[in-house]
Amino acid sequence: QSVLTQPPSVSAAPGQKVTISCSGSSSNIENNYVSWYQQLPGTAPKLLIDDNNKRPSGIPDRFSGSKSGTSATLGITGLQTGDEADYYCGTWDSSLSAVVFGGGTKLTVL
Amino acid sequence: EVQLVESGGGLVQPGRSLRLSCAASGFTFEDFAMHWVRQAPGKGLEWVSGINWNSGSIDYADSVKGRFTISRDNAKNSLYLQMNSLRAEDTALYYCTKATGRYHHYGMDVWGQGTTVTVSS
Repeated sequence: QSVLTQPPSVSAAPGQKVTISCSGSSSNIENNYVSWYQQLPGTAPKLLIDDNNKRPSGIPDRFSGSKSGTSATLGITGLQTGDEADYYCGTWDSSLSAVVFGGGTKLTVL
Repeated sequence: EVQLVESGGGLVQPGRSLRLSCAASGFTFEDFAMHWVRQAPGKGLEWVSGINWNSGSIDYADSVKGRFTISRDNAKNSLYLQMNSLRAEDTALYYCTKATGRYHHYGMDVWGQGTTVTVSS
């Protein structure tokens, strides 16, 4: 049981937009920065979004992040088949003194 | 090129020990916190431990507290994970990751390729 809650799977057609939610609490998401990671099949995770909404160099602006209260959202527009991956949210939990991840969301581009 | 290379994984019997290493290059290692994150076969990411830039602050997941010890040698640009009293549930791919700042509550912007630990008799 993950501290952060994500939907197990989402799907959408190529070119469409999808959002992935990440729900937490006041000890994690609400009072700490949220990061999002993309894990393509058979590869190590990659940082997509840092500090709630900042894209590292090289990450296309099709990827966006937002946060409101105890929830965060990853948005992906102009979906491509190459976006098929597992997506994880992560943040610091001040009560646990630990990094916590969501259980991961598998994105299928139909 | 910024790079993290893990080593030290392998097959080990329950109750035994293993030491993982992570060699960092391409960035000023002493300026950044570091983490170990693991992923069991077919499962999600699980944070294991984090250490800040000068080893002044260290945290562990409850699942490994008292059994695992994280350390770093800034002179050698290296991160370590000493794993004792290993259990079957510790079987996973272990990633070394770099934090985006000096403290380990920041996100992780560089990941190694991982080293596999299998605990089995």
